[in-house]
This record gives sequence, C-alpha cells and structure tokens, in this order.
Amino acid sequence: ETGVTQTPRHLVMGMTNKKSLKCEQHLGHNAMYWYKQSAKKPLELMFVYNFKEQTENNSVPSRFSPECPNSSHLFLHLHTLQPEDSALYLCASSQGTSGSPYEQYFGPGTRLTVT
Amino acid sequence: KNEVEQSPQNLTAQEGEFITINCSYSVGISALHWLQQHPGGGIVSLFMLSSGKKKHGRLIATINIQEKHSSLHITASHPRDSAVYICAVNPLDSNYQLIWGAGTKLIIKP
Repeated sequence: ETGVTQTPRHLVMGMTNKKSLKCEQHLGHNAMYWYKQSAKKPLELMFVYNFKEQTENNSVPSRFSPECPNSSHLFLHLHTLQPEDSALYLCASSQGTSGSPYEQYFGPGTRLTVT
Repeated sequence: KNEVEQSPQNLTAQEGEFITINCSYSVGISALHWLQQHPGGGIVSLFMLSSGKKKHGRLIATINIQEKHSSLHITASHPRDSAVYICAVNPLDSNYQLIWGAGTKLIIKP
C-alpha cells in the first residue's frame, strides 16, 4: 500500500462513452500527477497539480480533462477517446513540486481499454 | 540516444544470485530515482538519491555523479523480486519532471 488509491482498476469503454478515473491520496501531499503508460514505452507525464492549481499540461488532447477539487483528490474525465488511448493510467502524489526533488508515490493504476 | 539508458533490458537469474542493474544518464540532474513495477502495474519508489549510496533491506543503490551512472543491486535474490526496475532522473531545471529509463525486466527463477 503506497497511500494512493485509484478507481476503477479496469475500465472498458466505447469511443462515444464518457467516464472518469478517480485518484485519492492519504499522505498529506500537495502535488498530484496523471501519467500514461503505453505498452513498452516509458511513462508519459500528462498533468500536474500543486495545491489544486494545474502547473503542467503536457500537450494532452482535450478529450482528457483533469479536475483537482482539493489536494487529496484528482480526477481524469474521459470522452470520445480513441483506441490508441488504451493504456495504463497512473496517478501519483508528492510533497510538492518546487524547492527540492521529491519522491513520487504511485497508485495501482487504471487499465483502460477503448473499443 | 535516450537521455536515460538502462542495462540490461532483460535479466533472468537463479534464486540467491547477486543482481546488478545499471543506469546511465546524459543530463545534469538533481536526483535519481529507482522504482519497481510489478506485473499488476503499480509502481513503488525504492530509492531517491543524489550522491553516494543507500541501502534498504536487500537492495542497495549507488550513484556516481561524475560518471553519470547509478547501479541498483539486489543481494540474495528471490522470485518475489521479479519485476521491472525503472531508473528516472530529475533534470536540473525541474524538481518534479522525471526523465524515465525504459526499464529492466528481472525474472528470478526458483
């Protein structure tokens, strides 16, 4: 248990569906992250939030929409996805994003399949 | 050429063997991370280091800043150590962006 939970663990959705991924951290951290991991590729950083403010958007298509209502919760809203969006989506948290490097604590991931 | 290179890509060993996984990087860094990813997908941070050596149980991580190289060692390896081990670095201009290696897939046979 890393202190970061994600739901659902598995999701199958059609290209016209709308769904949301949820992440919650119980570590008292201020920063939260969304990563995408495609088969045989390194992790790709999608979004970063620090104290609920978005500090990074790595040119992610608008069909992915993040939401961070507070420092403990992070959502990724999905709509009109493409089959190439099928991947493992990982949430992470850290104490912060500035001042010094921090360890990131990862959730178990959501395995997304777009049909 | 990737900024973070790991070797080997794949490693199969017998239970009890001493394991070494290497990571070389070509950029200036403020920290280097070793992480473990099991087949289920979750990633666990093993070490974050910026100099010297750290030890946790049977795991040892070392870094040589001058040579831009780090090693992860596993002593008395066990089948439960089977996982993908990933090296990642914080470049000097970011405390949260990580440049990721491709990972080393380790299989320990009983």
